[in-house]
Amino acid sequence: GAVVSQHPSRVICKSGTSVKIECRSLDFQATTMFWYRQFPKQSLMLMATSNEGSKATYEQGVEKDKFLINHASLTLSTLTVTSAHPEDSSFYICSAEQGASYGYTFGSGTRLTVV
Amino acid sequence: QKEVEQNSGPLSVPEGAIASLNCTYSDRGSQSFFWYRQYSGKSPELIMFIYSNGDKEDGRFTAQLNKASQYVSLLIRDSQPSDSATYLCAATAAGGGNKLTFGTGTQLKVEL
Repeated sequence: GAVVSQHPSRVICKSGTSVKIECRSLDFQATTMFWYRQFPKQSLMLMATSNEGSKATYEQGVEKDKFLINHASLTLSTLTVTSAHPEDSSFYICSAEQGASYGYTFGSGTRLTVV
Repeated sequence: QKEVEQNSGPLSVPEGAIASLNCTYSDRGSQSFFWYRQYSGKSPELIMFIYSNGDKEDGRFTAQLNKASQYVSLLIRDSQPSDSATYLCAATAAGGGNKLTFGTGTQLKVEL
């Protein structure tokens, strides 16, 4: 089945620094990837849709200058949290659609802690 | 009104019983529906998806879709302790391309 690799799985950073999270589709090409954020005991909230070769589409309320998304190739999307603050601490998860008949596969997630 | 609604639970069932998880959605234009399982601290795993009215079976899991009632359910037969997790229902957004909207999830506890 489809595999989406995400790393790092866990990162601790100081307030004010930037963190980059990578999401790769290992055995299929993904023209579209999605980035979610999940706070404890809450559901997944879509942050943005990452489109290969074009700008990401951000959900309402998500700061595009703070959460930089780059979809450099058909198998790689990155999310950079810039000038991170403690309130950015969360579980960030990417997903990719293999095709309409296969559903969406999630990466393993990145636990970000900003201290 | 939330777009995808689930009872947060916890839903407790004895081992070997059938667990029934329910989900309603508000967007009549939603076409595809997904059930994911999420263990604590882990990312969601796809269990199955359904886009036609009726039942779809895969092993111990059966998804049911009723578009007239805007209702999706997941039945887990012969529930096992390892099925204890949070189950997330998701729907594609009509007119929103291929974005998924998630419910808040139902916590399932399978007791010995």
